[in-house]
Parts: sequence; C-alpha cells; structure tokens
Amino acid sequence: DTGVSQNPRHKITKRGQNVTFRCDPISEHNRLYWYRQTLGQGPEFLTYFQNEAQLEKSRLLSDRFSAERPKGSFSTLEIQRTEQGDSAMYLCASSSLSPGTKDTQYFGPGTRLTVL
Amino acid sequence: AQSVTQLDSQVPVFEEAPVELRCNYSSSVSVYLFWYVQYPNQGLQLLLKYLSGSTLVESINGFEAEFNKSQTSFHLRKPSVHISDTAEYFCAVIVGAQKLVFGQGTRLTINP
Repeated sequence: DTGVSQNPRHKITKRGQNVTFRCDPISEHNRLYWYRQTLGQGPEFLTYFQNEAQLEKSRLLSDRFSAERPKGSFSTLEIQRTEQGDSAMYLCASSSLSPGTKDTQYFGPGTRLTVL
Repeated sequence: AQSVTQLDSQVPVFEEAPVELRCNYSSSVSVYLFWYVQYPNQGLQLLLKYLSGSTLVESINGFEAEFNKSQTSFHLRKPSVHISDTAEYFCAVIVGAQKLVFGQGTRLTINP
C-alpha cells in the first residue's frame, strides 16, 4: 500500500490569490478527510467525504473554502481570496469502512500554506 | 461535545529514562482513542489505538497506552526513551461521528 500523498508540500502565495491542494488517499479507502493545523495546535477537522459525497463540513470552512472529490478517489481543497489567517498546515487523511477498523485514519505529509 | 485534554504541553526527559504523556477525554459514550506522532514538518503517523478489547495497547516501537474508563484517561508510556522519540504527540478521540478530535499536543524532548 502506498500511503496518503499530498501536493504540493509547500505553497507560498500572496494575500488575495486562490490556491488549490490535492490529496490522493490510500487506494480503496472510502473516506477522505481534511484537517487544518496551525502552529502549536492540534489538527482541527474541516470536512470529510464518503466516496464522492461530502457528508460534513465544519464551521471553520468558510465560504472561501471548497472541497471536492469528484470520482470518489482524489480530492482537492481550494481556498479563494486567501488571507494571512489561512496560513497553516493542511492535512489529508483517509480511512476504510472495513469492519473492525473503526475509521482508523491515516494521514498524508500535509501541505504547508504561507500567505504573505 | 467531546474533548481531549493533554495536560502537558512540553515534557523534557533524559535518554533512557521512562516517560508518561497524559491524555484525558470527556465523553459519556463509548469512545475510540488514538495516539499520533508528528515529526517536524511532517504529517501525523498513527502510533497506537484503542478500539475495544484489552485496555492495554502497544506500538511496535515500545510505546504503550492504557484505556481507563473510570478515569477517562488514555496515557501514553514508554519505559526507556531514545533520542529518535523526540516529536510532538497527539491524543485523539472518535465519538459517534467520524471526525477525530485532537488534544493540543505534547512536545517530547529527549536530552542526551
């Protein structure tokens, strides 16, 4: 099994620009999650998909954020009109619905976003 | 709402000394508990998990954690730490819904 992969690993952008991140989950994992981690804090849940359906979104996910998983495989997270407060590590995780796994989530390396 | 408290933000220890990283959770229903480790500028790696069964769970690199329902705790321990254990450790819980709720993290620093 290859693990969860995320691209790019680092992104520096100017305030007001749009950015898009990609996550490729572990193959055949039904669920895909996005979290955000700011410096010195634990990750915070943003949203998750089961196959292609987006089932839950956090209040942290403002209108400027949108996530998609069009074919139930990879996912993209887009941030429009970035603000300096969006600077964070964006983590993706995936899990299987197989019995006994209890949604054990496996994380990718993250994408570190810096908004200047 | 469920929450996780990691009581120590930083824990410095000497190499080969024992260590305990504390984690308490709040929930009135069954929980699934996890410890993740994060090395600098990397994502989270699953260290160990409690889903059901034996309350003592172990990882492959010598860490163990014990689920204590009466004290709502899931403390992480290692009898002898190594320099390579230097990292940030996160306790997390899944309750009902599928998302993980994380604690603030504990930075473990190993001194030679």
